[in-house]
Amino acid sequence: EPEVTQTPSHQVTQMGQEVILRCVPISNHLYFYWYRQILGQKVEFLVSFYNNEISEKSEIFDDQFSVERPDGSNFTLKIRSTKLEDSAMYFCASSDQLAGVNEQFFGPGTRLTVL
Amino acid sequence: DAKTTQPNSMESNEEEPVHLPCNHSTISGTDYIHWYRQLPSQGPEYVIHGLTSNVNNRMASLAIAEDRKSSTLILHRATLRDAAVYYCILRDTNFGNEKLTFGTGTRLTIIP
Repeated sequence: EPEVTQTPSHQVTQMGQEVILRCVPISNHLYFYWYRQILGQKVEFLVSFYNNEISEKSEIFDDQFSVERPDGSNFTLKIRSTKLEDSAMYFCASSDQLAGVNEQFFGPGTRLTVL
Repeated sequence: DAKTTQPNSMESNEEEPVHLPCNHSTISGTDYIHWYRQLPSQGPEYVIHGLTSNVNNRMASLAIAEDRKSSTLILHRATLRDAAVYYCILRDTNFGNEKLTFGTGTRLTIIP
């Protein structure tokens, strides 16, 4: 069964450093998302991406964040200058339809620890 | 996204049916009712969705009230692997609203 994969599974970084979290969505999917979950809190939407551009972003997704689909398979989330409060699980998801009917498939997540 | 209300936690015995309720009194006519779950240390996972009629799939059943102001996710025979946080989420199809807005969900504990 096809699945979303994410690397690395755990990333430790120093405050102020740049990190890139990588995702490989399901191959025929067209819509891509990043969510995050701070320990013990809700899963929060960050950004959605379709047709090589951001289609929606949350207030969390400020200028320090960016997303890219550099080739036909990878989808990345970059945090330019990490803060302590960026420590969280980051989940990538993909789906193959725009409307709110089809399911989103989530990856296993990357745990980001900012020291 | 319209708001949903779920109990914080529920317990059930293994191999018994589980009924997880969700209230969504402000649901609009175009809102689909989605259920996702999050197993420990994993990403969320789609369970089922519906609009008006009851739905069944290999994982669960979804019973939707006639006025659509509430729904119930039914796990017919709970196993230890069903221990997870279950989220009831409304998604409006009209505006191409793609994101999922997660609440706090119901933490389901399965007792062996």
